[in-house]
Amino acid sequence: GQQLNQSPQSMFIQEGEDVSMNCTSSSIFNTWLWYKQDPGEGPVLLIALYKAGELTSNGRLTAQFGITRKDSFLNISASIPSDVGIYFCAGRATLGTASKLTFGTGTRLQVTL
Amino acid sequence: KAGVTQTPRYLIKTRGQQVTLSCSPISGHRSVSWYQQTPGQGLQFLFEYFSETQRNKGNFPGRFSGRQFSNSRSEMNVSTLELGDSALYLCASSRRDRGSLNTEAFFGQGTRLTVV
Repeated sequence: GQQLNQSPQSMFIQEGEDVSMNCTSSSIFNTWLWYKQDPGEGPVLLIALYKAGELTSNGRLTAQFGITRKDSFLNISASIPSDVGIYFCAGRATLGTASKLTFGTGTRLQVTL
Repeated sequence: KAGVTQTPRYLIKTRGQQVTLSCSPISGHRSVSWYQQTPGQGLQFLFEYFSETQRNKGNFPGRFSGRQFSNSRSEMNVSTLELGDSALYLCASSRRDRGSLNTEAFFGQGTRLTVV
């Protein structure tokens, strides 16, 4: 099945550092979503983006919807240990009354003290 | 407000059996989507239900089916289980207001299915 290109695949950073990850697609999306998943749990929604060029923040998290509508990035500032997990981007290409999410390959974040 | 509830959390089945998973969406949400998550393929869309009708379907064989009830609760069924069906099955609910397709999808904790 289709997956979006997400990079980096994994990151090892120190507490307090900033993190940046991005997601690219060969097709256009109307919505970009960013999720965080802990082991054995379902993805938790972090940020939703609905307009090309939109920049949205949620606490230490900032995400942008690329102007081409084919990419998005997520920044985490001043990382803390609880930021550990897998981050997924997801794009929605709405078709009529139906919609589905296409997910990225994920970025595994490890934070060291 | 209660979140998305999936039951059971864990399930072990043998090859050839069939399984039914359940999802109760967030109150007021009328759209339910199902996803399969495996280490190799990541998160893959199975299907979406809205107003008791399947609205979209991913690239999965016909052994994977689902339905939605009038209270928006949804079930998915997998028949003739194969070892490769072992995965975390996730359900997501969306509000999906009339005239607005841009609503967030909230996920349940998932059902971990192991086929032996």
